[in-house]
Amino acid sequence: QSALTQPASVSGSAGQSITISCTGTSSDVGGQNYVSWHQQHPGTAPKVMIYEVTNRPSGVSNRFSGSKSGNTASLTISGLQPEDEADYYCSSYTSNSTPYVFGTGTKVTVL
Amino acid sequence: QVQLVESGGGVVQPGRSLRLSCAASGFTFSTYAMHWVRQAPGEGLEWVAVISYYGNDKYYADSVRGRFTISRDNSKNTLFLQMNSLRPEDTAVYFCARDRTPYDILTGPDYWGQGTLVTVSS
Repeated sequence: QSALTQPASVSGSAGQSITISCTGTSSDVGGQNYVSWHQQHPGTAPKVMIYEVTNRPSGVSNRFSGSKSGNTASLTISGLQPEDEADYYCSSYTSNSTPYVFGTGTKVTVL
Repeated sequence: QVQLVESGGGVVQPGRSLRLSCAASGFTFSTYAMHWVRQAPGEGLEWVAVISYYGNDKYYADSVRGRFTISRDNSKNTLFLQMNSLRPEDTAVYFCARDRTPYDILTGPDYWGQGTLVTVSS
């Protein structure tokens, strides 16, 4: 099972909006709505930011939003802030022999 | 609050075995499926295995199937990962994580532990 495809890096100035894509197939991202996004700062555990494509857990800023079109899910961060600088991973249930998969990861830099 | 604390990591020679534990608290452990996810040094996250809330259903990544075994003890709120025939490429931080939806499976990790480092080297 190959990892979901994400851009290696995305950058933006403070206050701007950025979008991270997560491309899979009809067996994973495109086939159901169990797509999540996780934020990871260096040396720490991941933290879920979005679940089931569009839902934000309690306590996560509403500057984070998720969407999906076909086989590609997206995470948008609005009003970029310095503390948003981190690695971001999408993840999804799959109907393949390995039933769960993460994306390749995207490093977000706040300029 | 939900807490997950991994233990059991360390340095082990190729071909040997190691057993990881994850102590859970702050939620009803017996009603949630649980994951193991790993991260090699400087690399991304790799899903390893999941076990259903009652322990009967288990699923594995192709890369560890036949070598790793996930299990749980609901009476002790503890998740395990038995790793046999270890290889250098198994070197990683191993995280346990709770699956989001009670009485379901593979809905996605929501809470994560801090991880335990496993180094496979001679």
